[in-house]
Amino acid sequence: EPEVTQTPSHQVTQMGQEVILRCVPISNHLYFYWYRQILGQKVEFLVSFYNNEISEKSEIFDDQFSVERPDGSNFTLKIRSTKLEDSAMYFCASSALSTGQETQYFGPGTRLLVL
Amino acid sequence: AQSVAQPEDQVNVAEGNPLTVKCTYSVSGNPYLFWYVQYPNRGLQFLLKYITGDNLVKGSYGFEAEFNKSQTSFHLKKPSALVSDSALYFCAVRGQNRDDKIIFGKGTRLHILP
Repeated sequence: EPEVTQTPSHQVTQMGQEVILRCVPISNHLYFYWYRQILGQKVEFLVSFYNNEISEKSEIFDDQFSVERPDGSNFTLKIRSTKLEDSAMYFCASSALSTGQETQYFGPGTRLLVL
Repeated sequence: AQSVAQPEDQVNVAEGNPLTVKCTYSVSGNPYLFWYVQYPNRGLQFLLKYITGDNLVKGSYGFEAEFNKSQTSFHLKKPSALVSDSALYFCAVRGQNRDDKIIFGKGTRLHILP
């Protein structure tokens, strides 16, 4: 069964450093998403991406965040200058459509720790 | 505004007993409702969803959920729990408006006791 994959599984970085989180969505999916889950809290929507551009973003997704699909398979989330409060689990997801009823399939997550 | 609530942080059930994980929601209009499960060190796995039609939805691993519009609930159920069902369960809702985003609950940890 096709899966969403994410690398790395864990990332430790110093405050102020840039990090890039990588995701490979399911191959025939067209819509891609990033979510984050701060320890013990809700899963929060960050951004959705379609046709090489952001389709929606939350208030969390400020100027320090960016997303990119650099080739036909990878989907990346970049945090330009990490802050302590960026420490969280980051999930990538993909879906074939974006009708609202379409199921989003999630990757295993990247646990980011900012020191 | 959309919201979803999972009132229980943890649910303990003896193996073989029926289980229920509660979820209530608030959206304007009709909802799309989802349940996901998260096993340790894994991502969220889709279990089931309600879009329209029968209020009782059957999903993976023997789980089902009942949509109750009057109570704005979508509780997850299973007739006979397995130890392997122990995991973190997330309810999610999305409204049917174009700009609505999927909103997740905070999760309920289900612990099945052998």
